[in-house]
Amino acid sequence: GAGVSQSPSNKVTEKGKDVELRCDPISGHTALYWYRQSLGQGLEFLIYFQGNSAPDKSGLPSDRFSAERTGGSVSTLTIQRTQQEDSAVYLCASSLAGFANTGELFFGEGSRLTVL
Amino acid sequence: AQTVTQSQPEMSVQEAETVTLSCTYDTSENNYYLFWYKQPPSRQMILVIRQEAYKQQNATENRFSVNFQKAAKSFSLKISDSQLGDTAMYFCAFKEEYGNKLVFGAGTILRVKS
Repeated sequence: GAGVSQSPSNKVTEKGKDVELRCDPISGHTALYWYRQSLGQGLEFLIYFQGNSAPDKSGLPSDRFSAERTGGSVSTLTIQRTQQEDSAVYLCASSLAGFANTGELFFGEGSRLTVL
Repeated sequence: AQTVTQSQPEMSVQEAETVTLSCTYDTSENNYYLFWYKQPPSRQMILVIRQEAYKQQNATENRFSVNFQKAAKSFSLKISDSQLGDTAMYFCAFKEEYGNKLVFGAGTILRVKS
């Protein structure tokens, strides 16, 4: 696609429910990132996928959070048993291979999650 | 672990004037990359400017320029001739030379007034 696409744009859920957030990266981008942006705070790294390598999950805040990337393209971030503190904008970004030499991430518009 | 600090939560500037956004960072690395990203109200982040630490010359992109002070670990963004479309949240970010992830600051909301 032309850009990174995320869905849903907005999600309101009740505490305790599971949610899935989807990211469709730019075609040909092998690196994919999930970040979380909470109100008044910066971007918090969650997880990174690069090709067929094992993902870097070091930023996932708890075992309620998981992510997968199927076929090296689309990624799904799953939050189980949501809590109110999970309310945030979840941003997905992708980049070309060799990211280490460019640093440019291409971001989607994010999925705003509100947990009531 | 690297940290990035943006000490100005909000700033305002009149249209056509110049504004400087501050950023400091902490690292023990000698080479790394620094970035300024812009997030307009539409939420989609875009890269504004990038600086490689081993380059002494400050990066410039049209009306945007940086003041990179490696010894002071400071990386400020100067926006000249501010335009209404510059209204956004600006994030400073750091990346290790061979690292995979960007570490972001908390952001500065910039409002350009007409």
